[in-house]
Amino acid sequence: AQSVTQPDIHITVSEGASLELRCNYSYGATPYLFWYVQSPGQGLQLLLKYFSGDTLVQGIKGFEAEFKRSQSSFNLRKPSVHWSDAAEYFCAVVVNRDDKIIFGKGTRLHILP
Amino acid sequence: EAGVTQFPSHSVIEKGQTVTLRCDPISGHDNLYWYRRVMGKEIKFLLHFVKESKQDESGMPNNRFLAERTGGTYSTLKVQPAELEDSGVYFCASSPISLRGRTGTGELFFGEGSRLTVL
Repeated sequence: AQSVTQPDIHITVSEGASLELRCNYSYGATPYLFWYVQSPGQGLQLLLKYFSGDTLVQGIKGFEAEFKRSQSSFNLRKPSVHWSDAAEYFCAVVVNRDDKIIFGKGTRLHILP
Repeated sequence: EAGVTQFPSHSVIEKGQTVTLRCDPISGHDNLYWYRRVMGKEIKFLLHFVKESKQDESGMPNNRFLAERTGGTYSTLKVQPAELEDSGVYFCASSPISLRGRTGTGELFFGEGSRLTVL
């Protein structure tokens, strides 16, 4: 079945540490890929997206993600997290023939001082 | 420029009652989407409007849910009668152009959500 998988429900890192959030998809074709973030009391905000071209994508707030076709992955990374990065992060896809975004279950990021 | 606004932010109703959620998309955005997140689960697609037309309503759970977008501006999502399993956060999102194909910006602009609690 077609799906977006975020294997980690919760992740805790110390402030200043590096971060990697995992995302895998299972679609026949390469979908359009996204990462959204939801901070407490806020709506979903787009961090970055991948359509084609350079597989390393830069986003807002110092985040980046790398598309790896061979692994069907689109992991989100940040070299040094800040306390304000504590939020829930969603990987999402748009399959070419569709016109809607499909979300993963989300990963909640906790930051230790 | 105002973002996507949703009302109410939180609604608590009893089983069997009716609730209407409203979404005002960003001005000029023809595409309007409704999503829902039930606690502990993923954010699930409900339906997609292009202007006033329902482009895709494959995610609507059952006929207790009715979405409208008269005039192609704001949208309402009515749940009647509400059941316990309808509790969750209902998100609205809008986009200026289609997500499909290479001309799409691929970005949905989301509202803060309407939290529905059915007791």
